[in-house]
Amino acid sequence: DTGVSQDPRHKITKRGQNVTFRCDPISEHNRLYWYRQTLGQGPEFLTYFQNEAQLEKSRLLSDRFSAERPKGSFSTLEIQRTEQGDSAMYLCASSFKGPPVNEQFFGPGTRLTVL
Amino acid sequence: GESVGLHLPTLSVQEGDNSIINCAYSNSASDYFIWYKQESGKGPQFIIDIRSNMDKRQGQRVTVLLNKTVKHLSLQIAATQPGDSAVYFCAENMNTDKLIFGTGTRLQVFP
Repeated sequence: DTGVSQDPRHKITKRGQNVTFRCDPISEHNRLYWYRQTLGQGPEFLTYFQNEAQLEKSRLLSDRFSAERPKGSFSTLEIQRTEQGDSAMYLCASSFKGPPVNEQFFGPGTRLTVL
Repeated sequence: GESVGLHLPTLSVQEGDNSIINCAYSNSASDYFIWYKQESGKGPQFIIDIRSNMDKRQGQRVTVLLNKTVKHLSLQIAATQPGDSAVYFCAENMNTDKLIFGTGTRLQVFP
């Protein structure tokens, strides 16, 4: 257990529905990251926050995806009008920005299945 | 474009032997590299990292080697144990805090 928690662990939804995932980072970490991982592949970067500011978004993050971190603590990732291609593991990671490195600690992930 | 790749998708080793997992990266501007271990149903777990100003770094039973000339990274696991069975990813970072992962190598340890 890295100290990063995600909820839910599994989500099954029908195509076209909206889903929201939550990530609670390690409390003293000021950076929070979202990645997506499909079967047999490495995680792909989606977006990250420093405190409450969203600093970077991948081109993978289409208009149907939105992420927030309103108080600089937990974060939510929402997918609207889900598609079957959204089926994947959604991973959250957190780190503390500072030298020498920013080791990212990953949560267990939320596995999304879109039927 | 940016990419991090692995030479072998699956590596099978006997318990007690040493394991070597290789990784090639394409971006010479990358300055930080990390190896992660991922067990089934879990998120990636940090194993060891190395900065580009180093060639070698050792941890407990693990060693990472970095060859910047050929843009190659390797993870050596000494005395491999059944608990080492997992998928291993290398990842690179170019001072942006965004990690770029490869596709992974599955390590299977048999008795």
